[in-house]
Amino acid sequence: GEKVEQHESTLSVREGDSAVINCTYTDTASSYFPWYKQEAGKGLHFVIDIRSNVDRKQSQRLIVLLDKKAKRFSLHITATQPEDSAIYFCAASRGYQGGRALIFGTGTTVSVSP
Amino acid sequence: EAAVTQSPRNKVAVTGGKVTLSCNQTNNHNNMYWYRQDTGHGLRLIHYSYGAGSTEKGDIPDGYKASRPSQENFSLILELATPSQTSVYFCASGELGGRQDTQYFGPGTRLLVL
Repeated sequence: GEKVEQHESTLSVREGDSAVINCTYTDTASSYFPWYKQEAGKGLHFVIDIRSNVDRKQSQRLIVLLDKKAKRFSLHITATQPEDSAIYFCAASRGYQGGRALIFGTGTTVSVSP
Repeated sequence: EAAVTQSPRNKVAVTGGKVTLSCNQTNNHNNMYWYRQDTGHGLRLIHYSYGAGSTEKGDIPDGYKASRPSQENFSLILELATPSQTSVYFCASGELGGRQDTQYFGPGTRLLVL
């Protein structure tokens, strides 16, 4: 079946450095790619998304890149801060009977050390 | 931001017992979703709904039923709970495919089946 692979399970960076998380997807019909952040013991919080009509999107320190040919998208967290430490999930839209839903990667635990 | 609430937040059940997890959203979204989160699997779609009275099977529906009695409420039902259903369950609402693709998640329910 369709799936989303999240390539880094853990990522440790120094404060101020950049963190990059890479995901690949299989469904050629996927057109929407959100990223979610989950802090310890909490639910998922939307952070940024990208649609298939663009290949780059930035929101403050977050940059998302999309390579449709390679079916790959990535999240770049620039100038990392300790509060960026969390689990990050990538996702891709896919079709289900009657509509669409999200299929998620397995998550990347990002640790930012001072 | 969209508000999605879940109850209970924590639940201990016995094998073979019936468990009902409830979800409420206050933003008039047509679509609602139930996921479970397990280490190494990310979030997996159990059931979803496109409006009151509708329920559809997701990727892992076996052992679960769903009910959407109204626009605001979406329940997940485990008729005969098993230890393999011990997990964290998340409800979400959103309008994938529409002008606003974002899904909004509830805080999660931790279920332990003994």
